Parts: sequence; C-alpha cells; structure tokens
Amino acid sequence: GNSVTQMEGPVTLSEEAFLTINCTYTATGYPSLFWYVQYPGEGLQLLLKATKADDKGSNKGFEATYRKETTSFHLEKGSVQVSDSAVYFCALQYSGAGSYQLTFGKGTKLSVIP
Amino acid sequence: DSGVTQTPKHLITATGQRVTLRCSPRSGDLSVYWYQQSLDQGLQFLIQYYNGEERAKGNILERFSAQQFPDLHSELNLSSLELGDSALYFCASSGGQTNSPLHFGNGTRLTVT
Repeated sequence: GNSVTQMEGPVTLSEEAFLTINCTYTATGYPSLFWYVQYPGEGLQLLLKATKADDKGSNKGFEATYRKETTSFHLEKGSVQVSDSAVYFCALQYSGAGSYQLTFGKGTKLSVIP
Repeated sequence: DSGVTQTPKHLITATGQRVTLRCSPRSGDLSVYWYQQSLDQGLQFLIQYYNGEERAKGNILERFSAQQFPDLHSELNLSSLELGDSALYFCASSGGQTNSPLHFGNGTRLTVT
C-alpha cells in the first residue's frame, strides 16, 4: 500500500539555520505530494505541493522537489525563523476510485530558538 | 482560516458513552474527510464522503460511523467509547478533483475518562 516515511524529530535549530526534513514515499502510480504544517492548537495547513516528477513546490521560503527516481520530497528552508516552529507533515495523495485521501507521515516537530 | 468549521472544540466523556462530532466544509467543497490524530498512531484516515455518499473507508472502527447531509455538513458518531479513542479528530474538505489539496478544520479534542 501507500506509505510515507519522514525523519524522526524533534528537530531543534537556531534562528537563521538551514532546515532539511527528509521525506520518502512508497506508492503505486504517480501520486501528488504535499507538505502540511500544524501550529500548536490548530489544524493542518497546506504549505506546498507538487503534482508530478521534477516539480518544485514552494511557499514562504520553504521548497521541496518531487524526485521520482529516489521517491523523495524533502522539505528545505534556507533560513528558519522562530515563527517556523511547528509540526511538519509530508503526505501523498493517490486517486483511487475517485477518492483523494491523503496518507501522512508521522510528522516532524521543529523548534527554532532565538 | 481554512473555512472548515468543526464543533465542539473539546469534548470530555466517559467510557461507554456516545458522542457526535460535527463538520461544516468550505463553501463549494463536496468532499469531506475524517482523520484521527493520536500520539502513537499519527494521522489516520477514517472515512470520506462525496456529495452525500460514502467514497472511501480507512481505518475506521465498527463502533464509529459517519454521514454527510444534503447541506454537505458531516457528522462523525463515536459509540461505546474506550479510553483509547481519546484523540484529536480532524475534518477536511476538498473540491474532489485530482490534485485538490485538503483543507483542515481545527479539530475536536476528545477525552474519554
């Protein structure tokens, strides 16, 4: 079946450090890939997405490239801020029988310290 | 604001009881998804409805059921509650097309004592 594996957290970085959160997936066919972010006490918010191989999703300084050859979708940001502290979820969407449900990784908690 | 509304925000109840969680999707979205988030299991897909009909089922227990009404709001019913059912329950909605992202509500935190 479909699955997503992302690096275990928590990750603690100093402000302005470089961020990478690894994400790999297993899926049949050609899924769409997403990163969602969850701030404390809130629901998940879409951060970025990519729908086909070599697509790069980007938003708010975050980037991720859909790599079919390595089945990966790593999240990166060049300079993190304290406000980026949250839990980040990698997810894939595979349309089967008209359902576009998301399969999530377990989440990576990021803490950015001043 | 995602446009998805979930009520109540918090629910505390005893084992063996039954509760109903409610979700109003974003305006125009026909699909509603329910997810359970717990510390040990992460985010688990429970069930999806599209325009009133069940579209997909995930890891949903037989004690749980859901439905989507003609006005597109959805309810998740949890019965014979157990301590292990304590979790955050999220509703999400989408337009139902390929590559449409899901938009999540802020969740209902259920505590079973």
